[in-house]
Amino acid sequence: GAGVSQSPRYKVAKRGQDVALRCDPISGHVSLFWYQQALGQGPEFLTYFQNEAQLDKSGLPSDRFFAERPEGSVSTLKIQRTQQEDSAVYLCASSSGGGEGYTFGSGTRLTVV
Amino acid sequence: AQTVTQSQPEMSVQEAETVTLSCTYDTSENNYYLFWYKQPPSRQMILVIRQEAYKQQNATENRFSVNFQKAAKSFSLKISDSQLGDTAMYFCAFMNRYSGGSNYKLTFGKGTLLTVNP
Repeated sequence: GAGVSQSPRYKVAKRGQDVALRCDPISGHVSLFWYQQALGQGPEFLTYFQNEAQLDKSGLPSDRFFAERPEGSVSTLKIQRTQQEDSAVYLCASSSGGGEGYTFGSGTRLTVV
Repeated sequence: AQTVTQSQPEMSVQEAETVTLSCTYDTSENNYYLFWYKQPPSRQMILVIRQEAYKQQNATENRFSVNFQKAAKSFSLKISDSQLGDTAMYFCAFMNRYSGGSNYKLTFGKGTLLTVNP
């Protein structure tokens, strides 16, 4: 596609519910990143994929967070047993590699109530 | 680990005037990239300008230019002829230059909210 597409745009979850956030990167982009952006803060790195391989998951805040990219294109970020502190915007970005910078999606705003 | 500091949480400027947003960073690396991203209310991060640390010449992109001071680890953004559409959050970000793996990870500052007044 022409850009990075994320869905849903908004998600309200009850505490303890599981959620799945989808990212559809630009076709052919090898690198895919997930970031978490709390209100009033800059984005913080969660995890990185190169094709289907998850090369870095050091930013995932707990074992309730899980990401996958099984076929090297679409990626899903799953949060189990959501907590209020998980409320944030989750941004996905893709890149063809190198230092050109990424293309970001518009994010999913998750609100845990 | 790299850190990026934006010391101005909010700034405002009159339309058509010039404004400068500050950014400092800390790294032990010698080769890296620096970026300014704009985030309007739509939430999408939009790349404004990019600087390669090994290039001494400051990057420019139309009304946007940077003042890159490598020794001081400073990377400020100047917006000339400000327009109402420039109103947004602006984030400074750092990336290591070496290819591969999570060297492509971006480290962001906390952002500066810029308001352009008519």
